[in-house]
Amino acid sequence: GQQVQQSPASLVLQEGENAELQCNFSTSLNSMQWFYQRPGGSLVSLFYNPSGTKHSGRLTSTTVIKERRSSLHISSSQTTDSGTYLCALEFYGSSGNKLIFGIGTLLSVKP
Amino acid sequence: AQTIHQWPVAEIKAVGSPLSLGCTIKGKSSPNLYWYWQATGGTLQQLFYSITVGQVESVVQLNLSASRPKDDQFILSTEKLLLSHSGFYLCAWSLQDRASAETLYFGSGTRLTVL
Repeated sequence: GQQVQQSPASLVLQEGENAELQCNFSTSLNSMQWFYQRPGGSLVSLFYNPSGTKHSGRLTSTTVIKERRSSLHISSSQTTDSGTYLCALEFYGSSGNKLIFGIGTLLSVKP
Repeated sequence: AQTIHQWPVAEIKAVGSPLSLGCTIKGKSSPNLYWYWQATGGTLQQLFYSITVGQVESVVQLNLSASRPKDDQFILSTEKLLLSHSGFYLCAWSLQDRASAETLYFGSGTRLTVL
């Protein structure tokens, strides 16, 4: 089955509203990463978060390993936040790092 | 500072034609290298990884091959493209040192359209 599940699949907000994106995983892992995928496809790393809470500007990531979940909170959303947000489980070992991605949450922020 | 460069930015190719995509990492010696692929509307998935020159491991079979001719270069290729090869290809690198291998760093990608 799917190892990484993201919800919601899509989200439409009015500018200024907050967003909560969820990522649930079904396997143990080394860490969790959140990415923003630009409409052209390139990735922007938002958080490397193995556990606990991290902040970056209007973004907050919280990972609770024992509950197998991670969340991304976007406060005071802006139209430039529109795009796809991906979470990925990270495993690393003798074969290097491996990321298993979720399908993403498509965020649309209206002016 | 490390930089990762992918080429070309985009390609439109015919079914059955050959393909070669490239990736170069500068400013980091002996990195782990990876190829990822995303079909339109699909999930990003790892295709290949390499931990040293001349060594490549396949993760997903897609009738593609990869090679690492130099420490800083990773090539993805096929002799005959299929329609199913269309999508977005990303190259990435990470540190070799497991103790400090925190994350993967991605290139800007290549958009491939097979007609």
